[in-house]
Amino acid sequence: EDKVVQSPLSLVVHEGDTVTLNCSYEVTNFRSLLWYKQEKKAPTFLFMLTSSGIEKKSGRLSSILDKKELFSILNITATQTGDSAVYLCAVSRVGSGNTGKLIFGQGTTLQVKP
Amino acid sequence: EAQVTQNPRYLITVTGKKLTVTCSQNMNHEYMSWYRQDPGLGLRQIYYSMNVEVTDKGDVPEGYKVSRKEKRNFPLILESPSPNQTSLYFCASSLLVSGSGFSYNEQFFGPGTRLTVL
Repeated sequence: EDKVVQSPLSLVVHEGDTVTLNCSYEVTNFRSLLWYKQEKKAPTFLFMLTSSGIEKKSGRLSSILDKKELFSILNITATQTGDSAVYLCAVSRVGSGNTGKLIFGQGTTLQVKP
Repeated sequence: EAQVTQNPRYLITVTGKKLTVTCSQNMNHEYMSWYRQDPGLGLRQIYYSMNVEVTDKGDVPEGYKVSRKEKRNFPLILESPSPNQTSLYFCASSLLVSGSGFSYNEQFFGPGTRLTVL
């Protein structure tokens, strides 16, 4: 059965800290891994990763994928209170059928204290 | 503005009273999907649609129906809601690249509908 597991499930840090969120997966016919940020509303897209070892960056956020070890990390440096959110990891598959389906992890709840 | 809209945003209803949650996107996306989000379980797919008149079950379809008569709209229907359908519902859409089976999966999510069934 396909699954995506995130860790930790929750995390509390102080402003300025650096955090690393983990996402491991067991999915047949892997296509891409996506990170979303969810504040009390709809998930908003952060990154999509399809190739191993290529870091994607956006400001203080960065992410990398390891397709051999089947995991991805999301790093946030110099955290701010506005980074407080649930971070979702999702995986998509190649092939016929429901290729648009995203398989989500449980999410990591990050709280950044002032 | 490119967006996915859902209505209503909040709904409290009673067991057995049929309801419909609407979803509309203005990005000409082929793929549309409904998810429910429950604490500790993440987002789980209810139904999806690859294009007009093409719909299929996701992981948790029981108690739900959908239709896709127009490309932009994908309503979720609960014929006889029950308390275990109390949840946060998201509609999402994305482009699909046809032929090869590959898909571009940056899915855009609607704002969510918080449903309570008493």
